[in-house]
Amino acid sequence: NAGVTQTPKFRILKIGQSMTLQCTQDMNHNYMYWYRQDPGMGLKLIYYSVGAGITDKGEVPNGYNVSRSTTEDFPLRLELAAPSQTSVYFCASTIPRTGTDTQYFGPGTRLTVL
Amino acid sequence: AQKVTQAQTEISVVEKEDVTLDCVYETRDTTYYLFWYKQPPSGELVFLIRRNSFDEQNEISGRYSWNFQKSTSSFNFTITASQVVDSAVYFCALQGGGTSYGKLTFGQGTILTVHP
Repeated sequence: NAGVTQTPKFRILKIGQSMTLQCTQDMNHNYMYWYRQDPGMGLKLIYYSVGAGITDKGEVPNGYNVSRSTTEDFPLRLELAAPSQTSVYFCASTIPRTGTDTQYFGPGTRLTVL
Repeated sequence: AQKVTQAQTEISVVEKEDVTLDCVYETRDTTYYLFWYKQPPSGELVFLIRRNSFDEQNEISGRYSWNFQKSTSSFNFTITASQVVDSAVYFCALQGGGTSYGKLTFGQGTILTVHP
């Protein structure tokens, strides 16, 4: 299993550009998450999904959109990039309520908006 | 609302010293889960341990040990005989039950530097 994979690893955007951060997991996890980590800070939840077709907002959803058309993929969309979105983005997945529902994280995408 | 506080922003020790990282949490849930993650300089998040709120048994795993005390809402992490490779940012995180289930609330992290 590759686990949770994210692409790209690095990206520089200009203000106002848009992009999609890709996240894929091959563990058949139904719960998936997007977090952002600002410098010197902990992670904050942007959006999450409990299964295909179901998504919900986390703590900091403004400026982002998500979709979940398959169990494996959970892309994060930035429509109008702003400098405040400069951050490291982590995707995570888990199967809840199995007694071992630990979130497994992808390697992260480092995004800079100039 | 859930909250995790890691009061120690940075800790610096010399190799072979023991070091304890503090974590205090707040939640109204009766069932919840606590985690420690390690983030080395390479940036990935490495899962270290998960504890359930109904299991206060402390645990030792090699040089790592955890002290979970519900009475003080604390979940502290100790590294015995620290090594340079332990240098990383350590995050404590809380996952609640109920409507908070599955969503992790992270502390701000403690930067641990182990000097040779």
